[in-house]
Amino acid sequence: EAGVTQFPSHSVIEKGQTVTLRCDPISGHDNLYWYRRVMGKEIKFLLHFVKESKQDESGMPNNRFLAERTGGTYSTLKVQPAELEDSGVYFCASSHSFGAGVNTEAFFGQGTRLTVV
Amino acid sequence: AQTVTQSQPEMSVQEAETVTLSCTYDTSESDYYLFWYKQPPSRQMILVIRQEAYKQQNATENRFSVNFQKAAKSFSLKISDSQLGDAAMYFCAYASRGSTLGRLYFGRGTQLTVWP
Repeated sequence: EAGVTQFPSHSVIEKGQTVTLRCDPISGHDNLYWYRRVMGKEIKFLLHFVKESKQDESGMPNNRFLAERTGGTYSTLKVQPAELEDSGVYFCASSHSFGAGVNTEAFFGQGTRLTVV
Repeated sequence: AQTVTQSQPEMSVQEAETVTLSCTYDTSESDYYLFWYKQPPSRQMILVIRQEAYKQQNATENRFSVNFQKAAKSFSLKISDSQLGDAAMYFCAYASRGSTLGRLYFGRGTQLTVWP
C-alpha cells in the first residue's frame, strides 16, 4: 500500500510568485492534515480536512494560503503571493477514522521543502 | 493550549549503547496521547511509539521504550542497543483524547547521531 505522497519534494521560488504543493493521502483515509516546520522550530499545525470539508483551519497563517481537497482525495496547498517567511518544510499527513472515537495514528509524507528567495 | 518541549536539540550515542531523549509537555487535560515520531534524512516521518495517558504502564516497542511520568508531565524515549539506522530527527508529539490523533502538537525535535 502506498504511503502519503507529496509533490514536489523541493521548490525554490521568488518572493511574490505562486507555489502549489500537493498531497496524496493513503487511500481511504478521510482525515488529511497540513503542517509546516520553519527551520529550527517546532512543526506547527495548519489545517485538517475531513473528506473534502475543512474541519479545522485555525493554524493557517493568513489569507495568502489556500488549501483545497476536491473530491475528498488529494489536497493542494497554494501560497500566493509567497513571502520570505513562508520558507520551510510543509508536511502532509493522513489518518483513518473507524467511528466511535477509534482512529489510526497519523501517517506522514516526506514533506516539501519550500524556499522563497 | 498544549505545548511540547524538547530541550535537547542534538544528541549522540555510540552504536550498541543506550540513549534517552527528553520531552516535557504542558496541558490541562487529564486524558491524552503522547507520541514519538522519527524522521530519517530525506524520508518520511514514522511513528516510533505511542502512550495513552490513562495507562500507567510504559509503552515499549522492541528497542524503544518510554518513561511516562504523568504528574511531572514528562515523556522520555529510551533507545537501547542503538543502531546506525536510528540516526534521525526525533519529534515528541501530543494529541488530545477526543481528537483524530492527527491533530498533533510537536516539540522542536532532537537530532540523534549514532557513531559506529
